[in-house]
Amino acid sequence: DVKVTQSSRYLVKRTGEKVFLECVQDMDHENMFWYRQDPGLGLRLIYFSYDVKMKEKGDIPEGYSVSREKKERFSLILESASTNQTSMYLCASSSPPWTSGGNEQFFGPGTRLTVL
Amino acid sequence: SQQGEEDPQALSIQEGENATMNCSYKTSINNLQWYRQNSGRGLVHLILIRSNEREKHSGRLRVTLDTSKKSSSLLITASRAADTASYFCATMTSGSARQLTFGSGTQLTVLP
Repeated sequence: DVKVTQSSRYLVKRTGEKVFLECVQDMDHENMFWYRQDPGLGLRLIYFSYDVKMKEKGDIPEGYSVSREKKERFSLILESASTNQTSMYLCASSSPPWTSGGNEQFFGPGTRLTVL
Repeated sequence: SQQGEEDPQALSIQEGENATMNCSYKTSINNLQWYRQNSGRGLVHLILIRSNEREKHSGRLRVTLDTSKKSSSLLITASRAADTASYFCATMTSGSARQLTFGSGTQLTVLP
């Protein structure tokens, strides 16, 4: 089974702190994604990566950056956390769409981040 | 931007009844997927239907797709209390080979 793990389930940070959220997948997936989930808004894509050292902006990249130095690890960075970044953050991975089952995304359990 | 919009936002039914959730979207799609999320957890993939398919079944799940109306429905038959969760539709557009755009979800409560 595909396993996607996230470094923390719950995280509390102060405004202005630098925050790292890490995601690791064990299925050798090329694609990795970071979403945030807020009530009534569903999941919104922040950034995604389709290869090591490659990244593309999603719908709401402002205030975030990402790093993908190794295939299995995709990090989301909040350079200077703000209260409006309080949210649930979900990481996902998938294999290329031309592979069997490649369109399906596998999600981690989520990190609930609170910025005070 | 929201590609998929689910309807209703919340649904409460008795165990054993069928639950139907609808999803509408705006642009041409390659496929449409349904995911389930238990409270406070990550999403789990349920079923995928391609743009050239009209209906698909998986166990107690039945998904339909009407590309002319840009809509899909998810039917859960003989619901169980364990089906209580949020259900999201997600679309993969023809122009994107990797990204999914999620709707805001339907909260389903199945009462025992």
